Amino acid sequence: AQKITQTQPGMFVQEKEAVTLDCTYDTSDPSYGLFWYKQPSSGEMIFLIYQGSYDQQNATEGRYSLNFQKARKSANLVISASQLGDSAMYFCAMTQRSESGGGADGLTFGKGTHLIIQP
Amino acid sequence: DSGVTQTPKHLITATGQRVTLRCSPRSGDLSVYWYQQSLDQGLQFLIQYYNGEERAKGNILERFSAQQFPDLHSELNLSSLELGDSALYFCASGPLRAQYFGPGTRLTVL
Repeated sequence: AQKITQTQPGMFVQEKEAVTLDCTYDTSDPSYGLFWYKQPSSGEMIFLIYQGSYDQQNATEGRYSLNFQKARKSANLVISASQLGDSAMYFCAMTQRSESGGGADGLTFGKGTHLIIQP
Repeated sequence: DSGVTQTPKHLITATGQRVTLRCSPRSGDLSVYWYQQSLDQGLQFLIQYYNGEERAKGNILERFSAQQFPDLHSELNLSSLELGDSALYFCASGPLRAQYFGPGTRLTVL
């Protein structure tokens, strides 16, 4: 079974500082994908970034980067130059990548980190 | 805008009733995933359909069922509703390297 652990229930960060949100995972599957989502107070789930278990380089998307340390089973999200609009819940998730086609399996989510950016 | 649409946005109903939630995936996506987000359980994967066929089941109750139609839209049916079924229900679609979520349906069971 897959498991995602996010150990930071909440974080306060000063605007313009970099933020690292922790995520560790557990799986016995050699092929898997790791995701980060942002959920603002309005409730929508916004896809941020993806890392495949066989990807050679850490994923980056604009101000978001994923610090993937496979041996440590760690997939931390780094947000550079934080902005007030970054205040939200952040969820780490993973999925097994299906070998039989049909896309990825359903996501297993962590409990989330509530990030508050202070001016 | 993720391209995934869900209706209705809000639903208020009574215990014991049955409701249907509707989802249209992004254009070109064959998979639809359903998730439940509640305060007690967090975000949970319920079920996945791929091109009309059930492909994977997560923590879906027997009172819940889903289907995907030939035009690829999907419906999640919730029956014999209980207070604990009050939650935000999302559907998602996307390629292997991303799942894009719809805006969700907020279900309140009174």
